Amino acid sequence: GDSVTQMEGPVTLSEEAFLTINCTYTATGYPSLFWYVQYPGEGLQLLLKATKADDKGSNKGFEATYRKETTSFHLEKGSVQVSDSAVYFCAHPKTSYDKVIFGPGTSLSVIP
Amino acid sequence: DTGVSQDPRHKITKRGQNVTFRCDPISEHNRLYWYRQTLGQGPEFLTYFQNEAQLEKSRLLSDRFSAERPKGSFSTLEIQRTEQGDSAMYLCASSPGQGAFSEQYFGPGTRLTVT
Repeated sequence: GDSVTQMEGPVTLSEEAFLTINCTYTATGYPSLFWYVQYPGEGLQLLLKATKADDKGSNKGFEATYRKETTSFHLEKGSVQVSDSAVYFCAHPKTSYDKVIFGPGTSLSVIP
Repeated sequence: DTGVSQDPRHKITKRGQNVTFRCDPISEHNRLYWYRQTLGQGPEFLTYFQNEAQLEKSRLLSDRFSAERPKGSFSTLEIQRTEQGDSAMYLCASSPGQGAFSEQYFGPGTRLTVT
């Protein structure tokens, strides 16, 4: 069945370090792919999305490229900030009404 | 512009009691979703409404769970005879329901603890 796999956390980085969070998926067809972020004490927010193969989603300095060949959607940021500390979820919708399948989440802590 | 709101934010109950959660979606959003999130896991889909119609229920939603969305506005999720395994964060999301992908906007969640 459809699923999303992410690298396990927690991930701890120093400020200005490079971030990669790996994500791979299994799905029927080629769904849209998302990264959601959950800041402490807040609800989930859509961080970025890509709707077809080779698309690159970007927002707030984060990027992810939809790789159909490797069924991956890795999240990257060149220079993380303390304010990026959060839990990041890779996800994709399952049906036409957008029921979302989430990965287990990767917790990121950025230290000054 | 108010977002999705959920009430209560926290609920502690004893095993066997009934609890009810409320979700108020963004005004005019016709799709509403309930998810459950346990510690260290991503949210799992529970059920979905298109206006007042409940169109899908996950196998996770046992007979003790019921959800309603009267008049297609706010929604309630009731859990009867709560069990310790019901302890989780219950998330509500809404979307306008237009286009190939309609972004879901999530509320802050209701954290349920069953003792």
